[in-house]
Amino acid sequence: AQRVTQPEKLLSVFKGAPVELKCNYSYSGSPELFWYVQYSRQRLQLLLRHISRESIKGFTADLNKGETSFHLKKPFAQEEDSAMYYCALGSSNTGKLIFGQGTTLQVKP
Amino acid sequence: NAGVTQTPKFRILKIGQSMTLQCAQDMNHNYMYWYRQDPGMGLKLIYYSVGAGITDKGEVPNGYNVSRSTTEDFPLRLELAAPSQTSVYFCASRLGHYSNQPQHFGDGTRLSIL
Repeated sequence: AQRVTQPEKLLSVFKGAPVELKCNYSYSGSPELFWYVQYSRQRLQLLLRHISRESIKGFTADLNKGETSFHLKKPFAQEEDSAMYYCALGSSNTGKLIFGQGTTLQVKP
Repeated sequence: NAGVTQTPKFRILKIGQSMTLQCAQDMNHNYMYWYRQDPGMGLKLIYYSVGAGITDKGEVPNGYNVSRSTTEDFPLRLELAAPSQTSVYFCASRLGHYSNQPQHFGDGTRLSIL
C-alpha cells in the first residue's frame, strides 16, 4: 500500500539551528515525492519536488530509495520558516497525492 | 490571476442538511482534486477528476459526490451532512500529471456539522 509517514507532529528549534523534517514512504515503483508548505493564513504551496533536485529558501531534500526516505533539510533555520510542512507521494498517471500527517516547524528567536 | 477559488470559506450545517462546496480554477488545468483535512491528520483525497466529464473516487469518497461539467468548475456535494464530515476541505488543480507540474491549492472551506 502507498503510504507517507512523517513521524514528528512538532519540531521546535532555535533560529540558526539545523533543521531536518523526516519523511518516509511506502511505494512499489518509482516514486514522485514533494514537500508542500503552509504558512500561517496562507494556502498550501509547493516547496520542493524530488525530480528537480533544487534548493528553495535554503531547503533541500534528497530521495533515498534504499531507506525509502525524502527528508527535508535546512542548515540554518529562520523564524520565517515556521509553518506546517507536508510530505506527499505522487501518482504518475493521475497526479494524485498521498500526504503525510504533517509536521509543524516552530523556529524560536 | 485568482488561481483556485473556493466558496464559502466557512459554513455551519445541521445534521442531515445538504450543501455544495464550490471550486473554480482559471488556469485551464485538466486535473482537479478535493481533499479533507482533519485535525492532526494529513490531507486525504475525496474525489478527483482528470478532465471535464471524468471523475473518480479517492481514499475517502463516502458521503460525497462530485461533478465536472466544465474544465473550470469542480463542485463537491454533501447530501446528508454528518458530524464525521466536520473538516477543512481543500480543492486543488494541476495542469497535467507530470511530476514537474505542481498542484495549486485553494484557501479551503471550514465546515462544521452540528
